[in-house]
Amino acid sequence: GQNIDQPTEMTATEGAIVQINCTYQTSGFNGLFWYQQHAGEAPTFLSYNVLDGLEEKGRFSSFLSRSKGYSYLLLKELQMKDSASYLCAVMDSNYQLIWGAGTKLIIKP
Amino acid sequence: IAGITQAPTSQILAAGRRMTLRCTQDMRHNAMYWYRQDLGLGLRLIHYSNTAGTTGKGEVPDGYSVSRANTDDFPLTLASAVPSQTSVYFCASSEGGSSGANVLTFGAGSRLTVL
Repeated sequence: GQNIDQPTEMTATEGAIVQINCTYQTSGFNGLFWYQQHAGEAPTFLSYNVLDGLEEKGRFSSFLSRSKGYSYLLLKELQMKDSASYLCAVMDSNYQLIWGAGTKLIIKP
Repeated sequence: IAGITQAPTSQILAAGRRMTLRCTQDMRHNAMYWYRQDLGLGLRLIHYSNTAGTTGKGEVPDGYSVSRANTDDFPLTLASAVPSQTSVYFCASSEGGSSGANVLTFGAGSRLTVL
């Protein structure tokens, strides 16, 4: 079966750096997405990786290793507004998105 | 403001009743999707439409139906609601096509409680 694993919850301190991991086992691979979802709101797109390596976008970076079935989202200079759930999703060989359950990130002052 | 509008925002429904969740987008996106989100689970695809006039079943289609009469609208109908359909429902759209860079835009969600 297809599976996406990510930690259920993480806690970090304002101003610090946090890395949220995502491992996947899917039928084929056509890219990996990260979405941010604040409580009670809709998910919003953060990043897309299809090739191995690091994609940087401001305070957020996303890394992919296809051979290891692994990605991480790196958040730097954490702000209180970064408190949210972070959803990892993989597009399989049929271009269907498989979603992880999300990682709830709690930022403490 | 371009985006997706869902209605209603929330609804409490008696079991056995029929309910339609509405979804409208103004981005002229080809593809539209209905997901449900439950605590501890990832987003699960109910139905999708790659283009106006076509629909397909997702991971959890039972008890739900959809139609896509035009590009903008993609209503989701629960013919006879059951308590297990209590969830938050998200409509989403994307440009579609066989591209991995298929970014989804989500509506604000509809919280449905079936008693």
